[in-house]
Amino acid sequence: RKEVEQDPGPFNVPEGATVAFNCTYSNSASQSFFWYRQDCRKEPKLLMSVYSSGNEDGRFTAQLNRASQYISLLIRDSKLSDSATYLCVALGVGFKTIFGAGTRLFVKA
Amino acid sequence: NAGVTQTPKFQVLKTGQSMTLQCAQDMNHNSMYWYRQDPGMGLRLIYYSASEGTTDKGEVPNGYNVSRLNKREFSLRLESAAPSQTSVYFCASSELGTSVSEQFFGPGTRLTVL
Repeated sequence: RKEVEQDPGPFNVPEGATVAFNCTYSNSASQSFFWYRQDCRKEPKLLMSVYSSGNEDGRFTAQLNRASQYISLLIRDSKLSDSATYLCVALGVGFKTIFGAGTRLFVKA
Repeated sequence: NAGVTQTPKFQVLKTGQSMTLQCAQDMNHNSMYWYRQDPGMGLRLIYYSASEGTTDKGEVPNGYNVSRLNKREFSLRLESAAPSQTSVYFCASSELGTSVSEQFFGPGTRLTVL
């Protein structure tokens, strides 16, 4: 079983839709969590950190549920420019960084 | 600022050849990392350097060596390339350990081993 698992998708949604991604992690010692965005043939870039209290950045909302060991990302009012792969990241003790395989999103006009 | 730079961008090797991937950052970051990305596998940590003068193995270190040349530069060497090492390689850096800060990635090196 992978330490961080994501639905690979792809998710195909129309512009303006709300889409949610979930990610589960197996190591309960994981300390910090992030969502990264990766465009086709580009490097990953940080989208947002994930806090226990939940956090919001514009149209994006991230949630962490430690008891169930899952992380979610909600995108509201999807734009064409949101089309990308979204990577869930769990950080353990020290420098152990575990990336999920990513969820692909296509937003259609 | 250029951020994190990597050379080369593309490389084709024959089985058994060696090469070094170069990475440099101009953000004065302490920590640097090498990842490989394969379809359906996500990014996997090969080696990391918490600070200048230290290096440690990540999840998939076999077949690779690294050198933290100075605070700016962190190179990855393939001594005897194998087809299983065909992948996209990303270098990253962060100000502190990964648990407290964002990682910044370079543009990647696309390596094919025939």
